[in-house]
Amino acid sequence: GAVVSQHPSRVICKSGTSVKIECRSLDFQATTMFWYRQFPKQSLMLMATSNEGSKATYEQGVEKDKFLINHASLTLSTLTVTSAHPEDSSFYICSAPPGNPNYGYTFGSGTRLTVV
Amino acid sequence: AQTVTQSQPEMSVQEAETVTLSCTYDTSENNYYLFWYKQPPSRQMILVIRQEAYKQQNATENRFSVNFQKAAKSFSLKISDSQLGDTAMYFCAFMIGQGAQKLVFGQGTRLTINP
Repeated sequence: GAVVSQHPSRVICKSGTSVKIECRSLDFQATTMFWYRQFPKQSLMLMATSNEGSKATYEQGVEKDKFLINHASLTLSTLTVTSAHPEDSSFYICSAPPGNPNYGYTFGSGTRLTVV
Repeated sequence: AQTVTQSQPEMSVQEAETVTLSCTYDTSENNYYLFWYKQPPSRQMILVIRQEAYKQQNATENRFSVNFQKAAKSFSLKISDSQLGDTAMYFCAFMIGQGAQKLVFGQGTRLTINP
């Protein structure tokens, strides 16, 4: 089946540094990628939608200068958390439709970010 | 605004029992799609079942079936002959329109299957 490979699975970084999370579609072209954030025992909160070759669309309240999204190719989208702070610690998940979106989306395995 | 509500934060049943998870949604749109996703302890999101709003027939996938009541805006998930591997968070979600649209998720229901 369609796979979205997400790396790293876990990362610990120091406050003030930047962290990049990658999502690659392995066997399909991901024109659109959705980025979510999930707090413990809570639902997925959509952060932004990225489209290949264009600027990402951010949800209300999400700082676009803090969460930089790049979707330079049909198989790779990246999320960079800039100048990370402890409050940015969370679980980040990417998702893309492997074909017709009406049939559902494929999710990456998630990245647990801890900022110390 | 479109919203999804799952009123059962947690549920627990014995193995082999049948369990129903509730989901209601609110939208003024007529063309949309409904999904149930499962998130086991590994936190990998897995599609369980989907339903097109324009179809009256309820979707089924092996032990999983839905009760879709469009007028009531209700989309419940029934798990028959529950198994230990069904233990997970279950999220109801819907998507409006065609193309790569965003999914709107409910709060989730934590389901535990006891041996």
